[in-house]
Formats: sequence, C-alpha cells, structure tokens
Amino acid sequence: DAGVIQSPRHEVTEMGQEVTLRCKPISGHNSLFWYRQTMMRGLELLIYFNNNVPIDDSGMPEDRFSAKMPNASFSTLKIQPSEPRDSAVYFCASSFGDRANTEAFFGQGTRLTVV
Amino acid sequence: GNSVTQMEGPVTLSEEAFLTINCTYTATGYPSLFWYVQYPGEGLQLLLKATKADDKGSNKGFEATYRKETTSFHLEKGSVQVSDSAVYFCALSGSDTGNQFYFGTGTSLTVIP
Repeated sequence: DAGVIQSPRHEVTEMGQEVTLRCKPISGHNSLFWYRQTMMRGLELLIYFNNNVPIDDSGMPEDRFSAKMPNASFSTLKIQPSEPRDSAVYFCASSFGDRANTEAFFGQGTRLTVV
Repeated sequence: GNSVTQMEGPVTLSEEAFLTINCTYTATGYPSLFWYVQYPGEGLQLLLKATKADDKGSNKGFEATYRKETTSFHLEKGSVQVSDSAVYFCALSGSDTGNQFYFGTGTSLTVIP
C-alpha cells in the first residue's frame, strides 16, 4: 500500500482565497484524522471521522474550516476564506478504528502558507 | 480524561550518549501507548508501541516499557546517533478513548557529532 496520500504537498495562497486539502487514507482503514501542526501550538486534532461520519469536530477552529468524507477512500479539508494565521502543516492520518491496539498512519502533510 | 505529558525540549546530546525522554499519561481504561518520530519535513512515523501493562516496545535500538503503576512510558536508547535527530511524540489510544489518539507536545532531539 502507498500509505496515506495527501495533496498538494505545498500550497501558497493569498488571504481570502479558498483552500482545499485532500487525503486518501490507507485502503481498509475506517478512521480518519485531520491534524494541524504549528510551532506555537504543536499538533492539534481538528476532526476525526469513523466510517465516514464525523465523530469529533471540536478541534475545528471556526466556521471557516470544514471537512468532508464522502466515501471511505477520500476526505477533504477546506478553508474559506483563508487567513495568514492558518499557515501550518496539515496532516491526515488513518487507522483501523475498530481494531484494538492499532496505530495511526500519517501522510506526508500539506504545508500551507497564506500570504 | 485522557492526556499525555512529555518532558520539555529541546534536548541536545552528543553522539553515543544515553537518551531518556519522559512520558506520563492519564487515561480512562487501559489504552495502548505509542512513540512516534517525526524527521524534518516529514509526517509522523510509528517508532514503537505497547498494548498492555509491562509490555516493552522496541525498534531501532529504542525501547519503552508500559508502566501502569507509574502511568509512564519513557523512551530510552543506549547510544544515540546523529540520524536520531528528530521530534519524538508520545501518544495513547484505545477503545476507552473512542479510538482517538492523544498526543504529547513532542520533544525535539538534536544529536551532535
């Protein structure tokens, strides 16, 4: 398996623009996580899906952020409108959510810069 | 609730020195415990894990033992190399966490020749 695939790897956009980050989890995994990593705040969980259903979105910063998982093999994280403080590395991770003692597998991340 | 506390970094060591990174946790139930490593510009990778009390996880010369009595999972390596320079994250997950993962803040390690 190719692992968790995220695209794009890098994104530079202007303030106010819409940004869409994409994630393809590992085939067969039924849990998917979106994280944000910054120097100031470290690694933060934004949202957690299980079987394509959002279970915990309490980490989503505000209404400008939205996430979808239309099927088991694809998820998006959208920021509209983007702001400079959204600049961070965004990670997607997946796991076998219904198996005990299983680890999460991370993608390479998307480095977002909002200017 | 569930949480993980790691020792603050950054940590700087000379090559071949002994490494300990402390990790303690608070959890409901009996979670699995993990150490992840993040090399510059990359995502987090699983380094090792332990799924029950007294289990020892090991990989690439790193070890950590699941200590239920002290709620700890300290990472150790007997002789670090320059290539071990990275950020290390302690984490927990389990059925009592709804299979969510709780990460520590990460500890940056730099190994100098």
